Amino acid sequence: DTAVSQTPKYLVTQMGNDKSIKCEQNLGHDTMYWYKQDSKKFLKIMFSYNNKELIINETVPNRFSPKSPDKAHLNLHINSLELGDSAVYFCASSPTGGTNEKLFFGSGTQLSVL
Amino acid sequence: QKEVEQDPGPLSVPEGAIVSLNCTYSNSAFQYFMWYRQYSRKGPELLMYTYSSGNKEDGRFTAQVDKSSKYISLFIRDSQPSDSATYLCAMRISGFQKLVFGTGTRLLVSP
Repeated sequence: DTAVSQTPKYLVTQMGNDKSIKCEQNLGHDTMYWYKQDSKKFLKIMFSYNNKELIINETVPNRFSPKSPDKAHLNLHINSLELGDSAVYFCASSPTGGTNEKLFFGSGTQLSVL
Repeated sequence: QKEVEQDPGPLSVPEGAIVSLNCTYSNSAFQYFMWYRQYSRKGPELLMYTYSSGNKEDGRFTAQVDKSSKYISLFIRDSQPSDSATYLCAMRISGFQKLVFGTGTRLLVSP
């Protein structure tokens, strides 16, 4: 059983389109995250939700909108996709307690904007 | 200048070598330090976690933190081809949930 699963694994789309990435965790964690990893492997946090409440919102264009319908799910919707949005997007979760040193990552979604 | 700096490599070593991976950082408020390993087309997985200064050992892996120099290291003894991956350091400030990652060092261990 995959602990943190995200779909799709690959996403190829045209500039200007709107797309969504879904994430689910079956670890019982309260906190979930979206990270973006660029072509140079730099991993940067975008958003964090704790029990469906947004707690971290880094400087991310408002074309990116996270949604957490329940604490096991955190989806990412991207409007008006741009070339610079091409990257690998990772969902992650961490145990309750706020000490998020142990992040559990999904396998990533490779987004390519043409 | 990034808050956390890491040589991207690649670092190529023969099987059995001792590997040293390093990160430097600029924010003296960082107190929690981690090393993640990321295989190709996979998400990062936590290898080591240390709080403040000192050493921590787990099998073939040793993590060191030198807060006075703002420098952390990961040593891998008896390296194996299966250790070939990208190693990312990460750190955070006490009381804050945000992890700041280095750019990762790609390690290649040849048989």
